[in-house]
Amino acid sequence: AQSVTQLGSHVSVSEGALVLLRCNYSSSVPPYLFWYVQYPNQGLQLLLKYTSAATLVKGINGFEAEFKKSETSFHLTKPSAHMSDAAEYFCAVTLGGASKIIFGSGTRLSIRP
Amino acid sequence: NAGVTQTPKFRVLKTGQSMTLLCAQDMNHEYMYWYRQDPGMGLRLIHYSVGEGTTAKGEVPDGYNVSRLKKQNFLLGLESAAPSQTSVYFCASSYSRDRGLDYGYTFGSGTRLTVV
Repeated sequence: AQSVTQLGSHVSVSEGALVLLRCNYSSSVPPYLFWYVQYPNQGLQLLLKYTSAATLVKGINGFEAEFKKSETSFHLTKPSAHMSDAAEYFCAVTLGGASKIIFGSGTRLSIRP
Repeated sequence: NAGVTQTPKFRVLKTGQSMTLLCAQDMNHEYMYWYRQDPGMGLRLIHYSVGEGTTAKGEVPDGYNVSRLKKQNFLLGLESAAPSQTSVYFCASSYSRDRGLDYGYTFGSGTRLTVV
């Protein structure tokens, strides 16, 4: 069965600093991977997805993620953090043909002025 | 506005009471899902449906029942609420498998349920 592990339940960075949120997956076959963002008191929104095309995936709001098969990782990055990036971020995985997505436990991102 | 609508947004129940959460989508999506979100545990799938009249169990189905009598609606029922069911419940929908992967899920804004 597939699963994802998000390292760090809370990450705090200064405004303008690099954002790095870590996600490792476990899957016996090539997975599809996602990052979702949840702003306070809202549902989740799709940030970006990897579906076996380019390994570097660009998403909304300047975020990107790189699929590394050798490391079974799909870390989320943004070169320069903005105050509006403060939210909870979820990594998720599914298999091709599957009808449901499995979510990680989430990482709360805080931005210091 | 098009999207996924959940009702109610907040509810407080006493232990043993029953209630139904309603999820409605107007995007003609085939698939619908119910998740619960608890601190430090991410989103866990309760039940899901791949089409009208079908339902299937997810990771944490015990204590919940669902029905999908109409394509646009997915109901989550708690027959006898317990404090362990205090959580935020999210409904989501998507097109069929391949299109769901292309466009991701569309989530509702959640229902905050407290069982005392």
